Amino acid sequence: GAVVSQHPSWVICKSGTSVKIECRSLDFQATTMFWYRQFPKQSLMLMATSNEGSKATYEQGVEKDKFLINHASLTLSTLTVTSAHPEDSSFYICSARIGEETQYFGPGTRLLVL
Amino acid sequence: QKEVEQDPGPLSVPEGAIVSLNCTYSNSAFQYFMWYRQYSRKGPELLMYTYSSGNKEDGRFTAQVDKSSKYISLFIRDSQPSDSATYLCAMKVGGSQGNLIFGKGTKLSVKP
Repeated sequence: GAVVSQHPSWVICKSGTSVKIECRSLDFQATTMFWYRQFPKQSLMLMATSNEGSKATYEQGVEKDKFLINHASLTLSTLTVTSAHPEDSSFYICSARIGEETQYFGPGTRLLVL
Repeated sequence: QKEVEQDPGPLSVPEGAIVSLNCTYSNSAFQYFMWYRQYSRKGPELLMYTYSSGNKEDGRFTAQVDKSSKYISLFIRDSQPSDSATYLCAMKVGGSQGNLIFGKGTKLSVKP
């Protein structure tokens, strides 16, 4: 299957700092990538849809100024958590879509804000 | 009623058992059905992908879709301890606009 990577795999930061997470499709081009958030023992919650060359579409309740998404190329999307606070601590997972249906997920990034 | 319902379990079976995982859904427009496996602290891994109704088999895994009943299943034969994970069903309407809708996931434990 297609491979999606994420970097870093985990990050610990101080409250008030910004954190950037990269998502790359390694062996295919993805015009659409997605960012999810997952709390312990919960399912994935879609945060935003990222389309190459255009602004991301955010789900209701997700602050676009807090979670900055950039999809500058067909293989790279970034999520920046600005001025992170402890409540932003979570597991962030990206996915990339092939065609109109199939989504492949990255390994996830665990963020801990102290 | 939620769009996709999935029993969270946990489900515990002995090694070698046949496992049946299920999801029901309410949106008759769903056309694409997937099963993902997620190990603890990892991203979901696509296991099976089915379009419309019918069965699809891949090794020890069989996916079934019954659109008339709005019911999908994943069967795992000869289950192994390495199958212990959370299994998420996901489905989608056709076209590029619809997003994947996930079930809550069923946590499976296969005991040696």
